[in-house]
Amino acid sequence: KAGVTQTPRYLIKTRGQQVTLSCSPISGHRSVSWYQQTPGQGLQFLFEYFSETQRNKGNFPGRFSGRQFSNSRSEMNVSTLELGDSALYLCASSPGGSGGDNEQFFGPGTRLTVL
Amino acid sequence: GQNIDQPTEMTATEGAIVQINCTYQTSGFNGLFWYQQHAGEAPTFLSYNVLDGLEEKGRFSSFLSRSKGYSYLLLKELQMKDSASYLCAVNGTDKLIFGTGTRLQVFP
Repeated sequence: KAGVTQTPRYLIKTRGQQVTLSCSPISGHRSVSWYQQTPGQGLQFLFEYFSETQRNKGNFPGRFSGRQFSNSRSEMNVSTLELGDSALYLCASSPGGSGGDNEQFFGPGTRLTVL
Repeated sequence: GQNIDQPTEMTATEGAIVQINCTYQTSGFNGLFWYQQHAGEAPTFLSYNVLDGLEEKGRFSSFLSRSKGYSYLLLKELQMKDSASYLCAVNGTDKLIFGTGTRLQVFP
């Protein structure tokens, strides 16, 4: 099976712009989670989508949004970019059952730099 | 609140044994994961514990005590390639919560 893929791998934007990141989960996985990783904060949970619905949400401002399509592919959007949004954005997929050993498989990430 | 604590950095020598500790306070507990992350790469799954005790998988073992909110990852016969960050993550009530990770450096 192909792993989780994310596009683009690298992105440079300026303050005030918006950005859309894409994630394709492992075939058959219905849950997609997004994380922001920075050196000081570690992995911070953004949100999780399951069957096209947002199932869980972290503590990020409304500028961060996402969606999931019927084929389980997911997109994340960040509007009005700020310098502090520079980070590695990781997407992870899992089969999607609630609780239990829902091992998450991570994509390679998108490195976003905001200038 | 929800909190996961790990040491920020550790160093060890090739061939040695190292134990990376993780303490947690979360609302709800549905298991604890350990992930390995090499610099510039995505985290990869190492282990999962949901019951108390030790889970052994080759050179890596993971231990869990739910009553103490405590886990550790034990790495034996360290190799240079084990230099990486090790992330402890708790499957809480509704999401996976990660610690900030422990950066392990293995020296020859």
